[in-house]
Amino acid sequence: QSALTQPASVSGSPGQSITISCTGTSSDVGGYDYVSWYQQHPGKAPKLMIYDVTKRPSGVSNRFSGSKSANTASLTISGLQAEDEADYYCCSYTDSSARVFGGGTKLTVL
Amino acid sequence: QVQLVQSGAEMKKPGASVKVSCKASGFTFIYSAIHWVRQAPGQRLEWMGWINAGNGNTKYSQKFQGRLTITRDTSATTAYMELSSLRSEDTAVYYCAREIPKSFDSWGQGTLVTVSS
Repeated sequence: QSALTQPASVSGSPGQSITISCTGTSSDVGGYDYVSWYQQHPGKAPKLMIYDVTKRPSGVSNRFSGSKSANTASLTISGLQAEDEADYYCCSYTDSSARVFGGGTKLTVL
Repeated sequence: QVQLVQSGAEMKKPGASVKVSCKASGFTFIYSAIHWVRQAPGQRLEWMGWINAGNGNTKYSQKFQGRLTITRDTSATTAYMELSSLRSEDTAVYYCAREIPKSFDSWGQGTLVTVSS
């Protein structure tokens, strides 16, 4: 199972919005509404930010939102803040009942 | 609160095996699924496999078939990940994570496994 495709890096200024894409195939992203997104700060464990494409866990800011079109899922962060600077990973359920992560995207807040 | 506490860092020689534990608390272990994910230095997250803590059924990534064994001890509410025939490329931080259907809501703190001669 190949990794899902994410941009290596994105950047934005405080207050701006950014979007991170996550492209897979019809066997994973496109086939199921089971895409999740994780935020990871250096040296820390990942944190769930979005699940089931669009749902936010309790306690996660509503500045984070998710969507999907065909084989590509997206994470949008609005009103960028300094503490949003981190690595972001998408993850999808697959048709072999496995999971696959994206390559990760480093978000820089300028 | 939900907590997953992993065993400490390990140093192993090439060809050896390593077994990492993941002690669960704050939820009903036998009704859960526990996944293992690893991250090599500076690299992406990589899914390894999972176990149904209730019936012990497992599913492994094809990449690790034959080298990976995930088990659990329900009385100890602990899951285990054993990786054999270690090579330098297996040097990574290994995480356990609890599944809420199809995503991971709680993670262990990570266990660094270093493979070096």
